[in-house]
Amino acid sequence: QKEVEQDPGPLSVPEGAIVSLNCTYSNSAFQYFMWYRQYSRKGPELLMYTYSSGNKEDGRFTAQVDKSSKYISLFIRDSQPSDSATYLCAMSGGFNAGKSTFGDGTTLTVKP
Amino acid sequence: GAGVSQSPSNKVTEKGKDVELRCDPISGHTALYWYRQSLGQGLEFLIYFQGNSAPDKSGLPSDRFSAERTGGSVSTLTIQRTQQEDSAVYLCASSRGANQPQHFGDGTRLSIL
Repeated sequence: QKEVEQDPGPLSVPEGAIVSLNCTYSNSAFQYFMWYRQYSRKGPELLMYTYSSGNKEDGRFTAQVDKSSKYISLFIRDSQPSDSATYLCAMSGGFNAGKSTFGDGTTLTVKP
Repeated sequence: GAGVSQSPSNKVTEKGKDVELRCDPISGHTALYWYRQSLGQGLEFLIYFQGNSAPDKSGLPSDRFSAERTGGSVSTLTIQRTQQEDSAVYLCASSRGANQPQHFGDGTRLSIL
């Protein structure tokens, strides 16, 4: 079983929809949680960075962390075709504090 | 530029040849990471540097893979006697320190013929 599980999708939604992306994890030592967006033939781009449990909002993006359930989410409001990409969750902390563990990514398509 | 820079952006080579991939991190970032991403797959951790030392080399797939970092800045990933299964995108990232968000380059696309 992987430390971080992420539904690979693909996920297809109409423009303007609310998108929910999720990851579950097994390592209770994780304390730092990140979401990255990766366009084709590009490196991952940091979207959100949160510490411990709670919510964080940045424009159309909201990140939620529930450490008790070992579950994190990224919500995208008013989705746009330019949001079409692969979204990767990542987390770190504990004994392997120096590195992040990534999910395999969810591919999202937003249709005009 | 202000971001992580990787070179070359593409590399095609014959099986058995050695290759060197270069990463220039963001100025002032003390931590540097190498990952491998195969087509349609997630990121596979290879190695992590803090300064010039590598506290975690656990992800290097075999002894054909090595990496170094000099002056706390530029890093080179070397693959000796390349095999076809080494074909992938090699991504480099840097951060201000452990557990800080990582900033990625656009990778080197390596193809082994």
